[in-house]
Amino acid sequence: GAVVSQHPSWVICKSGTSVKIECRSLDFQATTMFWYRQFPKQSLMLMATSNEGSKATYEQGVEKDKFLINHASLTLSTLTVTSAHPEDSSFYICSARTPDNSPLHFGNGTRLTVT
Amino acid sequence: AQSVTQPDIHITVSEGASLELRCNYSYGATPYLFWYVQSPGQGLQLLLKYFSGDTLVQGIKGFEAEFKRSQSSFNLRKPSVHWSDAAEYFCATSGTYKYIFGTGTRLKVLA
Repeated sequence: GAVVSQHPSWVICKSGTSVKIECRSLDFQATTMFWYRQFPKQSLMLMATSNEGSKATYEQGVEKDKFLINHASLTLSTLTVTSAHPEDSSFYICSARTPDNSPLHFGNGTRLTVT
Repeated sequence: AQSVTQPDIHITVSEGASLELRCNYSYGATPYLFWYVQSPGQGLQLLLKYFSGDTLVQGIKGFEAEFKRSQSSFNLRKPSVHWSDAAEYFCATSGTYKYIFGTGTRLKVLA
């Protein structure tokens, strides 16, 4: 089946630094990938839709300059949390859809802790 | 606007007992509906999906769900729960591209 790999699985960084999270589709090409954020014991909140070769589409309330998304190839999308602050600490999950628009396949998530 | 409601935040069942997790949706047309399961610190795994056709859908790990248009529901069921089923369960619906997730139901299984 379709596999989505997310890296790193966890990261700790200092306040003010930037962190990059990678999302790869391992056995299929994903023209569209999605980035979610999940707070403890809560549902997934869609942050942005990442489109290969074009600018990402951000959901209302999500800061474009803080959460930089790059989808440079059909198998890789990256989310960079810039100038991270403790309130950015969260669980970030990417997902991708195969070209036949079958259900989303999710990465295993990245636990970000900003100290 | 599309929405998904999972009325139960927590459910506790004994191992071997039957399980039903509730999901109600709001959508004008026939929705695409999904159930996902999330283990702690992990991503989401698809259990089953409904696009059209047979309203009783079979999924992985012995789960099934029934689409009932008259009740706007898509409840998840399992005849006999195993301890390994303890996890968070999310119902979701999708439109053209965006998925809408419910708030999740946390399942606890008693030995």
